[in-house]
Parts: sequence; structure tokens; C-alpha cells
Amino acid sequence: GENVEQHPSTLSVQEGDSAVIKCTYSDSASNYFPWYKQELGKRPQLIIDIRSNVGEKKDQRIAVTLNKTAKHFSLHITETQPEDSAVYFCAASTGAAGNKLTFGGGTRVLVKP
Amino acid sequence: EAGVAQSPRYKIIEKRQSVAFWCNPISGHATLYWYQQILGQGPKLLIQFQNNGVVDDSQLPKDRFSAERLKGVDSTLKIQPAKLEDSAVYLCASSLDEGVGTQYFGPGTRLLVL
Repeated sequence: GENVEQHPSTLSVQEGDSAVIKCTYSDSASNYFPWYKQELGKRPQLIIDIRSNVGEKKDQRIAVTLNKTAKHFSLHITETQPEDSAVYFCAASTGAAGNKLTFGGGTRVLVKP
Repeated sequence: EAGVAQSPRYKIIEKRQSVAFWCNPISGHATLYWYQQILGQGPKLLIQFQNNGVVDDSQLPKDRFSAERLKGVDSTLKIQPAKLEDSAVYLCASSLDEGVGTQYFGPGTRLLVL
């Protein structure tokens, strides 16, 4: 089955700096890659996603890049703010068997003021 | 638009007891998912329904876990008997259809097994 690895497990950045989280996946058939943000004690919330026919996608301060050949994708947060502090999860899906998502282990991001 | 609802929010039980969780998906969402999130880990899919049929339950420990979605709307997840390692947050999610679409998560039920 699919395996998703996420690095780093923790990331501390100064406010205003950029944060980058990287994920690798094992199933070359995967074609959908969402990123979720989970604040302490709250539900995971989708912040951005990318499909395999696109190499990069941006939404304000957040961007995701996908390298299908290398089977990795990354989340980039620019101009970080204290409210970006949370745990971020990447996930991958082949779209088969009903869009089963396989999640990475998560990255705890701390933005220091 | 109302989000995915779950209850209870918290539950403490002793090992070997039974527990049930309830989920109400977003109105009109045909696909419903139950995930288990152990502290410090990403969510792991337990079971997926398309309307009232099971699409994937390959990671559901069927000797103790069961789930149903009788009328294709609400769903319940049951654990009987519970073990210490079942302590986790149980997340319900729903999506509009079976294809590659956004999954929306509920607030989760935090289970502690003593």
C-alpha cells in the first residue's frame, strides 16, 4: 500500500521567515495531494491541494510543489505569522478505492514572534 | 453550510468496556470516512462508506471494531471490547462523492481507555 513520509517532524521559524515541509510517497499511481492544518485540539482543515497534472499551486502565502518523477511534494509558507503555528499533515491518494487518503506523520510548526 | 458533526467529544472508559461514536456528515455528502488518530501521528483510515455501502475497511480491526451507515447519512463506530491501545481521537470526515474530492473533517471524539 501507499506510504507517505513527512519531514521535518518539528520546525521552528522566526516570524516573517519561510517554512518548508517535504513529503515523499511510494505509490506512483497517486494523483491527489492535499495538505491539512490541525491546531491543538481541533479538526484537520484543508489548506491547499494539488493534482498530478499540475506542478505548482499557490494561494496567497501558501504554495505547494509536486515532483512526480521523484515522488515528492512540498508545502511552502512565506512570511510566517504566529497564527501559522500548528501541525501540518500531507496526504496522498490514488483516487482509486474511493479516494483513500494516506497521511504523513505530521510537522509541528512553531512561529516565534 | 453546517460542518461534520460528531458526538461525544470526549469519552473515558475502562478496558474491556464498549463505546460508540456518532457522526453526521455534511448534507448531501455521499462518502463518509472514519479515521483513527493516535497522539503524535497522522490520521489512519479505518473504514469508508459510499452511501450505505462499505468501500474500504481493510484497516478496521474487525474483531473489536464495527461501523454502520444504515440510511446512507449518519454513521456509528463501535469498539467492543476496548483495549488500552484504542486510546486516540476518532475523526469522521465526509466528501461529496467517491472521486478525488475534498474531505471535510469533524471535530473528533477523544477516547481514553484506562
